Amino acid sequence: DVKVTQSSRYLVKRTGEKVFLECVQDMDHENMFWYRQDPGLGLRLIYFSYDVKMKEKGDIPEGYSVSREKKERFSLILESASTNQTSMYLCASSFPTGGYEQYFGPGTRLTVT
Amino acid sequence: KQEVTQIPAALSVPEGENLVLNCSFTDSAIYNLQWFRQDPGKGLTSLLLIQSSQREQTSGRLNASLDKSSGRSTLYIAASQPGDSATYLCAVKGSGTYKYIFGTGTRLKVLA
Repeated sequence: DVKVTQSSRYLVKRTGEKVFLECVQDMDHENMFWYRQDPGLGLRLIYFSYDVKMKEKGDIPEGYSVSREKKERFSLILESASTNQTSMYLCASSFPTGGYEQYFGPGTRLTVT
Repeated sequence: KQEVTQIPAALSVPEGENLVLNCSFTDSAIYNLQWFRQDPGKGLTSLLLIQSSQREQTSGRLNASLDKSSGRSTLYIAASQPGDSATYLCAVKGSGTYKYIFGTGTRLKVLA
């Protein structure tokens, strides 16, 4: 079974802090994604990566950056957390030979106060 | 620009009923369509993946169909159970892109 794990289920941070969210997948998937999910807005893509050290901006990259130093790990960084970044953050991975089926982690509920 | 719509936003049915959830998309040039289930406060669980060349996929009590030309997919749930209560989302992946576009989901409640 594919497993995607995220470093925290719940996180509370203060405005202005630098925040790291980590995602690890155990199936050697090339593609990894970070989404945020907000009521009424659905899932929105922040960043994705199609290979180690490769990244592309999604639809809402402002205020975020990412890092992919190893194939299995994709980190989302909030450079200076703000209250409007309070959200559910979801990581996913996929691979071409699996028909690009997406597998999601359990999510991180981030609250910025 | 691809848009994905799921109607209705919420649905309540009595236990045992067969039901259909709808997903519409505006651009028929898709690579695949995936159905997910999401329980409150949790991540998404993949239910079914339909490639653009396929018409339907089945898993247990679930059957998903795809009609690219009309921009529609349906998820059929047979003999619904209270444990099926969740939000169901569909997502489409376009050809030539890594990106997936998600619908906003249908919140299903199956009443015992």
